[in-house]
Amino acid sequence: DTAVSQTPKYLVTQMGNDKSIKCEQNLGHDTMYWYKQDSKKFLKIMFSYNNKELIINETVPNRFSPKSPDKAHLNLHINSLELGDSAVYFCASSQGTAGGGVGYTFGSGTRLTVV
Amino acid sequence: AQSVTQLGSHVSVSEGALVLLRCNYSSSVPPYLFWYVQYPNQGLQLLLKYTSAATLVKGINGFEAEFKKSETSFHLTKPSAHMSDAAEYFCALTGGFKTIFGAGTRLFVKA
Repeated sequence: DTAVSQTPKYLVTQMGNDKSIKCEQNLGHDTMYWYKQDSKKFLKIMFSYNNKELIINETVPNRFSPKSPDKAHLNLHINSLELGDSAVYFCASSQGTAGGGVGYTFGSGTRLTVV
Repeated sequence: AQSVTQLGSHVSVSEGALVLLRCNYSSSVPPYLFWYVQYPNQGLQLLLKYTSAATLVKGINGFEAEFKKSETSFHLTKPSAHMSDAAEYFCALTGGFKTIFGAGTRLFVKA
């Protein structure tokens, strides 16, 4: 039973389209995250939700909008996709916020390719 | 300001040899430190973490890391490399609500 599951695993789309990535965790964790990994493997946090409340909102274009309907789900909607959005997007979860020294459980990633 | 620096974007070892992946950090508060491993086309998996208890931390798959405050380091080691250890390794630091990751070190294991 997958702990943190993301769908879809691969997403190829044209510039200007709008797409969504879904994430669900069955670990009972109260904090969820979106990270972006670029082609050089660099990981950058985008958003974090704790019990459905947004607690981290990094310098991300407004075209990216996260939504957390409940603490087990965190979705990412991207409007007007650009070539530079091509990356692997990882969802992660933890019990407690990052400040508690807990580690993260990551999903397997969504590889987004914008053409 | 907090930062994580991984020394060496690529490390190559022979099977059976010692693995040493270096991580240095900068933090204005006592840090929590982590090592993660990423296999191709997979997400990151937690190897081990330091949370101010023992300075020598043992993790999964035979890896361990030692927290050295005087050297601001948290290097990852494994006595004997296995082919299955070939992967990308990330050092991470947590302060406040954020975790920041190093740039990663790709480990190659030669037969």
